[in-house]
Amino acid sequence: SYELTQPPSVSVSPGQTARITCSGDALPKQYAYWYQQRPGQAPVLLIYKDSERPSGIPERFSGSTSGTTVTLAISGVQAEDEADYYCQSADSSGPRVFGGGTKLTVL
Amino acid sequence: EVQLVESGGGLVQPGGSLRLSCAASGFTFSTYEMNWVRQAPGKGLEWVSYISSSGSIIYYADSVKGRFTISRDNAKNSLYLQMNSLRVEDTAFYYCARENGFDIWGQGTMVTVSS
Repeated sequence: SYELTQPPSVSVSPGQTARITCSGDALPKQYAYWYQQRPGQAPVLLIYKDSERPSGIPERFSGSTSGTTVTLAISGVQAEDEADYYCQSADSSGPRVFGGGTKLTVL
Repeated sequence: EVQLVESGGGLVQPGGSLRLSCAASGFTFSTYEMNWVRQAPGKGLEWVSYISSSGSIIYYADSVKGRFTISRDNAKNSLYLQMNSLRVEDTAFYYCARENGFDIWGQGTMVTVSS
């Protein structure tokens, strides 16, 4: 079955830029989405269609794509950004898939 | 207010069945594709199933194929997940999510499969 691969953890100091990658063979042909999940809460959509930001999501969250890898960048990281981040896409045949998740630690 | 509210979770023995419901409000439910997503305690998100707006197209994760059935009633603004032959590894929080980039999520309902 189709898989998306994320690093288990990323650490960054406050004010720096955090980058979280997500790799998958179908990503050049399928859109990627990014979600933030804080403990005990439902996920929140951060980025849709690779790089679009829903209303209400701060501009410091951005998405980009290059070949089979998509990247979520968080500029000016704040303590409140400490959370789990998931990428999501779809198999070319239809089923959806999530990456394994990345725990962002703000040092 | 755009909202999804899940219900129907609980404790069930291995091999048992459970039916989850997801009530939608604040948007035109019949025009949106929907999904079920689950999260085992301390684990990541796992996509479970997708249904098109009309119900004519359905997908399942391999882990639930043949055991779970997704359905919807657009007249009742409701999404369902019939879960049969439940296993211990099906224990998780189950979320329904609107597919517009999974932009709206419910609060989740807990399913515990244990003897």
